[in-house]
Amino acid sequence: SYELTQPPSVSVSPGQTASITCSGYKLGDKYACWYQQKPGQSPVLVIYQDNKRPSGIPERFSGSNSGNTATLTISGTQAMDEADYYCQAWDITVVFGGGTKLTVL
Amino acid sequence: EVQLVETGGGLIQPGGSLRLSCVASGFTVSYYYMTWVRQAPGKGLECVSVIYSGGGTYYADSVKGRFTISRDNSKNTVYLQMNGLRAEDTAVYYCAREMGGGGSDYYFDYWGQGTLVTVSS
Repeated sequence: SYELTQPPSVSVSPGQTASITCSGYKLGDKYACWYQQKPGQSPVLVIYQDNKRPSGIPERFSGSNSGNTATLTISGTQAMDEADYYCQAWDITVVFGGGTKLTVL
Repeated sequence: EVQLVETGGGLIQPGGSLRLSCVASGFTVSYYYMTWVRQAPGKGLECVSVIYSGGGTYYADSVKGRFTISRDNSKNTVYLQMNGLRAEDTAVYYCAREMGGGGSDYYFDYWGQGTLVTVSS
């Protein structure tokens, strides 16, 4: 079965750029999307179709996908961005990465 | 405004049954793929079951033969009937609307608030 691998944790200083990776076999040949989940809340879609932002998602969130790796980039990271982030792709069915806890120090 | 509201969770003994409901508003469930995604305490997201716009269904291996997904178009509601519940089914269950453009382009644009299912004696 298809697998997506994310680092368990990423730390970033306020105002800096955070990058969260998601690795999977030939992931660049598929669409990747990203969800943000804050404690006690439902996931929220922040990136779809590799690099598109849904309405209401700040411009500081961006995405890319090439080769075996998709990347979520948060520019000018704010304290409110501290959350768990999950990548997701589709291979016969929906597949989620294991999630990355973003800490804004 | 699109909304998804799940109900039906609770504490249930191993081997028991529960039926989760997901009432949708702001769109018609029969036009979309509707998915149940669960999240065990402190763990990641797992796609459990999907009902496609055409009525077909998908189940994760972990629940196949025990869970049944269905929908009532007149009530704009999706259900998840869970039988033979096990401790490892303990999780928050989310209902989500799946958007898809074909190929590998599938993602969840709206999620409910989730309902907690606890399987314990």
